[in-house]
Amino acid sequence: EPEVTQTPSHQVTQMGQEVILRCVPISNHLYFYWYRQILGQKVEFLVSFYNNEISEKSEIFDDQFSVERPDGSNFTLKIRSTKLEDSAMYFCASSGTGYSGNTIYFGEGSWLTVV
Amino acid sequence: LAKTTQPISMDSYEGQEVNITCSHNNIATNDYITWYQQFPSQGPRFIIQGYKTKVTNEVASLFIPADRKSSTLSLPRVSLSDTAVYYCLVGDFAGGYNKLIFGAGTRLAVHP
Repeated sequence: EPEVTQTPSHQVTQMGQEVILRCVPISNHLYFYWYRQILGQKVEFLVSFYNNEISEKSEIFDDQFSVERPDGSNFTLKIRSTKLEDSAMYFCASSGTGYSGNTIYFGEGSWLTVV
Repeated sequence: LAKTTQPISMDSYEGQEVNITCSHNNIATNDYITWYQQFPSQGPRFIIQGYKTKVTNEVASLFIPADRKSSTLSLPRVSLSDTAVYYCLVGDFAGGYNKLIFGAGTRLAVHP
């Protein structure tokens, strides 16, 4: 089965530091997403990315956040000046044409702890 | 995006069949119904997707009545490892893009 892979699986960072979460979407997928889930809460949409630009973003995704596809395989989420409330599980996902059809596949997540 | 309503929690026992019903009264013509499963500290995992009637795969079945205003996820003979949160999502997957809006889901607890 195709997989979305994410690194790191867990990162602890000090408040105010910048973090970069990395994702390798399923090859041949066209749409890429970041979601987050604060402990005990719902999975929340952050941003979607298509054709090397943001296609949609939520209110959560403010100037503190940015996404990039630096090469043909990686998709990154950068969080600048991290705050305590950024502590959450961040999920990367991908979908689009290809052998997996239109299903959106999620990675296992990167758990970010801001201290 | 169509809003969905599903039970907050359910309890079952090993070996039983579990049916989780989701209502989506304002589903649009192009919308598909998709179910995901999530274990603690893991990403949502796709289970099944359908448009109408019945869909079955190796994991579950999805029953969708003719009016498509509800759907039922059926898990045959559950085991302890099926304890998870199950999400019902409705949306247009045309072209492969969809901004999934997750609700609270149904927390299924399977007991020995």
